[in-house]
Amino acid sequence: GAGVSQSPSNKVTEKGKDVELRCDPISGHTALYWYRQRLGQGLEFLIYFQGNSAPDKSGLPSDRFSAERTGESVSTLTIQRTQQEDSAVYLCASSLVYNEQFFGPGTRLTVL
Amino acid sequence: DAKTTQPTSMDCAEGRAANLPCNHSTISGNEYVYWYRQIHSQGPQYIIHGLKNNETNEMASLIITEDRKSSTLILPHATLRDTAVYYCIVKAGGTSYGKLTFGQGTILTVHP
Repeated sequence: GAGVSQSPSNKVTEKGKDVELRCDPISGHTALYWYRQRLGQGLEFLIYFQGNSAPDKSGLPSDRFSAERTGESVSTLTIQRTQQEDSAVYLCASSLVYNEQFFGPGTRLTVL
Repeated sequence: DAKTTQPTSMDCAEGRAANLPCNHSTISGNEYVYWYRQIHSQGPQYIIHGLKNNETNEMASLIITEDRKSSTLILPHATLRDTAVYYCIVKAGGTSYGKLTFGQGTILTVHP
């Protein structure tokens, strides 16, 4: 089957605008993760969903960031009032219990 | 999760073995060593993981020292397509659940 997909692949926005990034995990994967990767840096954890449990939001950098997941399906990461420092590649991953995390290709966000 | 230390960069000739070291001297008993790699402009890809025994799969071998304070990822016959950033990650538990904490990784360049 298909891997993790993300849309859009690229997003250019103006400072102060809101953006929504979408992740479609691998079907049946109960866990879903969002990470951020700034240019030349390693990945930073943002948020993690696991089944019906409360999400682990410990990596969200500010209250401008939020994410939702519908059941064990699609997830949306929303960034409100974008700032230039939000420019990065946003990566989504999904997994089963005893398997590795499978990553999507990412969404490259550029805030002008 | 324990911190890891990796060399910033390494070179390897095509067809030779690539040995990538990782130091995790503060690793605790329930923490596993995971290796992921990230080829340019792609999401990270899982390679292998282990607790204390050496592990081998179709991609690589993982050698963990007896005291578990360091490990080596071995790509037995490196190809140009193995050029990537390699991340050594220590994470509690043997499941994929929970965030991955990425460091800066090792930039491996395989040359002809």
